[in-house]
Amino acid sequence: NAGVTQTPKFQVLKTGQSMTLQCAQDMNHEYMSWYRQDPGMGLRLIHYSVGAGITDQGEVPNGYNVSRSTTEDFPLRLLSAAPSQTSVYFCASSYTVKRVEQYFGPGTRLTVT
Amino acid sequence: QQPVQSPQAVILREGEDAVINCSSSKALYSVHWYRQKHGEAPVFLMILLKGGEQKGHEKISASFNEKKQQSSLYLTASQLSYSGTYFCGLTQGGSEKLVFGKGTKLTVNP
Repeated sequence: NAGVTQTPKFQVLKTGQSMTLQCAQDMNHEYMSWYRQDPGMGLRLIHYSVGAGITDQGEVPNGYNVSRSTTEDFPLRLLSAAPSQTSVYFCASSYTVKRVEQYFGPGTRLTVT
Repeated sequence: QQPVQSPQAVILREGEDAVINCSSSKALYSVHWYRQKHGEAPVFLMILLKGGEQKGHEKISASFNEKKQQSSLYLTASQLSYSGTYFCGLTQGGSEKLVFGKGTKLTVNP
C-alpha cells in the first residue's frame, strides 16, 4: 500500500494563478480531509469529505474548492492564488473521523508570490 | 472552534516528565493526539472516546475528562525522540470535523 500520496511536493505560484493539489489514498477510506499548516496556527481544516460525492466546508474554506468523484481521490483547487495561501498543505484519510486514526500524506509546500 | 492547548512550548531534560493540556468550550465526542517532527507529517499517538477513559502507550498516556471537556497528555521519563510538536484534535457529536489546536512544541535536551 502506498498510503496517502500528495503531489506535487513543492509548488511556486504567482498571484492570480490557479492550480490543483492532488491527494490519493489506496486504503479504501471513506473519510478524507485537507488541512493547511502555518507557523503558530496549528492544522486548520479546509474541506472534508465523508464519501464519494459528499464534501463540506471546514474552518478556512475560502479560496479553495474540492470535489470527490471517487473514493480514492480528493483534489484541492486554488481558484486564484493569493500570498495568504502560502502554506504547507496536508491531506488525510481514514475510515471515519471520530473513532480511528487519521493517516496523513507527506504534504505539499506551496508558495504564492 | 480551535481547542486551546497549553503550554505553547516546553523544554525538558532527558528523563523529566511533561503534561500537555487541551480544552474546549463545547461538548466533545473524541480527542485525538498527534506528534509532528519538523518537516514531516503528523503521526498518530492515540484516541480517547467520551466516557473519561485513560489510555497509555509505553511512557505516553492520556486522559479525557468529558465533563470538563479537557484532555491531558502525559509524557514520563522523556526521551530525546519525544521532541516535536504535539497536537490535540477534537470531534463533537453531530459533526464530522476533526479540529486541531495550535500545538505544543516539546524540546527534550540531553
